[in-house]
Amino acid sequence: QVQMVESGGAVVQPGGSLRLSCAASGFSFNNYGMHWVRQAPGKGLEWVAVIWYDGSKKYYADSVKGRFTISRDTSTPKNTLYLQMNSLTVEDTAVYYCARGYPRAENFDYCGQGTLVTVSS
Amino acid sequence: DIQMTQSPSSVSASVGDRVTITCRASQGVRSWLAWYQQKPGKAPELLIHAASSLQSGVPSRFSGSGSGTDFTLTISSLQPEDIATYYCQQANSFPLTFGGGTKVEIK
Repeated sequence: QVQMVESGGAVVQPGGSLRLSCAASGFSFNNYGMHWVRQAPGKGLEWVAVIWYDGSKKYYADSVKGRFTISRDTSTPKNTLYLQMNSLTVEDTAVYYCARGYPRAENFDYCGQGTLVTVSS
Repeated sequence: DIQMTQSPSSVSASVGDRVTITCRASQGVRSWLAWYQQKPGKAPELLIHAASSLQSGVPSRFSGSGSGTDFTLTISSLQPEDIATYYCQQANSFPLTFGGGTKVEIK
């Protein structure tokens, strides 16, 4: 079955960096675009970034552009999505979900359980 | 960026009631509108894509309609397991954007 497991969430100081990972299984990872979506505590959903199935295109939310980088490792058995987060601010505090792009790259169907990033001094 | 506005922000209804949630885009998104359901403490799940296409496995009491700037999600007969927050999302262009969410509760 489709499964995605995020990891890497932690407490980090403002200005710090963090790399999130998402291990995907149960589907042909190389055939799907992948997203990061986040949710601040008690708030709504915010789309963060997408990477095309082959890594050829990447798009970002304005709020993270220039600070976050989405990437993917398609070598077997890694099948892993990453989010490198730099220059973190308190506004980046959220649960971060990775999600599979389906049925179009602009949608997503399955999400992982999420990983919590807390930016605090 | 395209702004998405949902209403109401919350709704309380009885089991069996019909519930309607609306979503308005700040500019036309054709039929590229999705609806997601998020139950408390869980990740969001895709309900409807392309405005009216039901995702596999989603009960038929859920339906979507609309195009351009105005869209509707309808639950024809509210069930206890439908308690959740519902989000619309425009899938027309990047950056993707969500509505603020509608919390559905049982009266």
